[in-house]
Amino acid sequence: NAGVTQTPKFRILKIGQSMTLQCTQDMNHNYMYWYRQDPGMGLKLIYYSVGAGITDKGEVPNGYNVSRSTTEDFPLRLELAAPSQTSVYFCASGTGQNNQPQHFGDGTRLSIL
Amino acid sequence: KNQVEQSPQSLIILEGKNCTLQCNYTVSPFSNLRWYKQDTGRGPVSLTIMTFSENTKSNGRYTATLDADTKQSSLHITASQLSDSASYICVVSRMDSSYKLIFGSGTRLLVRP
Repeated sequence: NAGVTQTPKFRILKIGQSMTLQCTQDMNHNYMYWYRQDPGMGLKLIYYSVGAGITDKGEVPNGYNVSRSTTEDFPLRLELAAPSQTSVYFCASGTGQNNQPQHFGDGTRLSIL
Repeated sequence: KNQVEQSPQSLIILEGKNCTLQCNYTVSPFSNLRWYKQDTGRGPVSLTIMTFSENTKSNGRYTATLDADTKQSSLHITASQLSDSASYICVVSRMDSSYKLIFGSGTRLLVRP
């Protein structure tokens, strides 16, 4: 029962570097999401996807990009890392139905120095 | 503005004791309210989901209540265990975009032996 798998678990980047956070799910969910969690704050939606080939901006999309070529995978790209992007990033998936939960991965802890 | 406020921010209780966590929201139009448990270093895990017509929902020793008139919810934990030490997050969704969730900042619970 893998659920939602995120890699890597930890990463340290230098300012200006780029990286891709990987997310894959094995529940055949159409909806996938990327959130960031900052200390003392609620999770904020970065990007989401309602199906393969369809993505849309969430609340805090600046500095990030996503793609959704398959149902299973939803990578998040940071092009020019900035200290403000230091956070814990969570990927989630779900059916999109009103009474169904979103399922979260265990997060990627990213530090930009 | 759509907001979810939780109290207290943190709580320490002795093993075996009960506790109640509070959640107030100003989200409109309201769709449902969710409680998630987040262990340290892990992603959130769904405990309950309640629509406006549901007053109470239980999941083992966890009981959530919802008062849609006053826009308040509570999560009651009975006979606490050490494994209950975690952050508990209240999450509300809107009727017009039920898959976009609004997260509270959580209550951090520590259960001591």
